[in-house]
Amino acid sequence: GDSVTQMEGPVTLSEEAFLTINCTYTATGYPSLFWYVQYPGEGLQLLLKATKADDKGSNKGFEATYRKETTSFHLEKGSVQVSDSAVYFCALRGNTGKLIFGQGTTLQVKP
Amino acid sequence: ETGVTQSPTHLIKTRGQQVTLRCSSQSGHNTVSWYQQALGQGPQFIFQYYREEENGRGNFPPRFSGLQFPNYSSELNVNALELDDSALYLCASSLVGRDTGELFFGEGSRLTVL
Repeated sequence: GDSVTQMEGPVTLSEEAFLTINCTYTATGYPSLFWYVQYPGEGLQLLLKATKADDKGSNKGFEATYRKETTSFHLEKGSVQVSDSAVYFCALRGNTGKLIFGQGTTLQVKP
Repeated sequence: ETGVTQSPTHLIKTRGQQVTLRCSSQSGHNTVSWYQQALGQGPQFIFQYYREEENGRGNFPPRFSGLQFPNYSSELNVNALELDDSALYLCASSLVGRDTGELFFGEGSRLTVL
């Protein structure tokens, strides 16, 4: 079945460091891909999405490119801030319409 | 437009009891789905409702059941609670037929089973 694998955390970075969180997926057909963020004590918020191969999703300085050849959707940000500290979830949505999530990666950014 | 709202935000139950969680969809959305997020894990799909009927279900036993009402609000019912049911339960709404049908999540109901 469809699945998502993302790098284990926690990831600890200093402010202004470069961020990469790896995400790979297994799916039949052509899923849509998402990154969701969960701040402490809050629900899930959509960070960015891409619906077809080679699409780049971007928002708030974060970006990710849908790579069909490597079945990946890695999240990147050039300069992280303390306020980016949260749990990040990679997810796919296939033909069934349900979202399948990775296990989440905790990001801690220190001043 | 109002977002997805869930109630209650926190609750504590004991093993064997029953619980009902409620969700109001974002205005204009016609599809509701429920997810279970255990501590330290990603959300797991429970089921989805469209036009008041279940139209997709994850790997959860029948004691997890739901309803969707004509105003598209929804309930999740769990019978015979077990300790492993302790989790954050997330409701998400979407509009079928609208581009990718992006899901909008509520803040969740945190259930603790003792």
